[in-house]
Amino acid sequence: GNSVTQMEGPVTLSEEAFLTINCTYTATGYPSLFWYVQYPGEGLQLLLKATKADDKGSNKGFEATYRKETTSFHLEKGSVQVSDSAVYFCALKSARPGNTGKLIFGQGTTLQVKP
Amino acid sequence: EAQVTQNPRYLITVTGKKLTVTCSQNMNHEYMSWYRQDPGLGLRQIYYSMNVEVTDKGDVPEGYKVSRKEKRNFPLILESPSPNQTSLYFCASSGGQGAFLETQYFGPGTRLLVL
Repeated sequence: GNSVTQMEGPVTLSEEAFLTINCTYTATGYPSLFWYVQYPGEGLQLLLKATKADDKGSNKGFEATYRKETTSFHLEKGSVQVSDSAVYFCALKSARPGNTGKLIFGQGTTLQVKP
Repeated sequence: EAQVTQNPRYLITVTGKKLTVTCSQNMNHEYMSWYRQDPGLGLRQIYYSMNVEVTDKGDVPEGYKVSRKEKRNFPLILESPSPNQTSLYFCASSGGQGAFLETQYFGPGTRLLVL
């Protein structure tokens, strides 16, 4: 079945460091891929998405490229800020017939950015 | 403001006492869904609804019921809560053509503790 695997956390970085959070997936066909962010005490917010191979999603300085050949959707940011401290979830949604609209999530990666 | 609202945000209850968590969206979305979030497991879908009077089970429906009598509301009902239903619950919605394929927007979450 479909699944998403994220790198283990927590990830601790200093401000202005480069961020990579790895995400790989298993799915048949061509799923849509998402990164959601959950700030402390809040719900999930869509950070970025990509719907087909080689698409690059970007938002707020974060980027992720849909890599069909490596089944990956790694999240990157060139210079993190303290305000980026949150839990990041990679997710996929199948586009196959019979899809229920379900998002399949990874387990989440906690990012802590220190001043 | 476009949003998904949930009530209550926090709830402590005892085993066997029926409870309802409400979810409402003001975006005229066709698709709505409930997820639960547990440490190390990410989010898992409980139930979903493609439209009014159309609901179906997700991956972890045991112990839960839902109804969709109006487009904007999608309550989650726990008829006889048990401690293993202690979790953080999120409601989500999406709309547009092929609504279940579109980006889902999440509510702020309801933290439930069953004693």
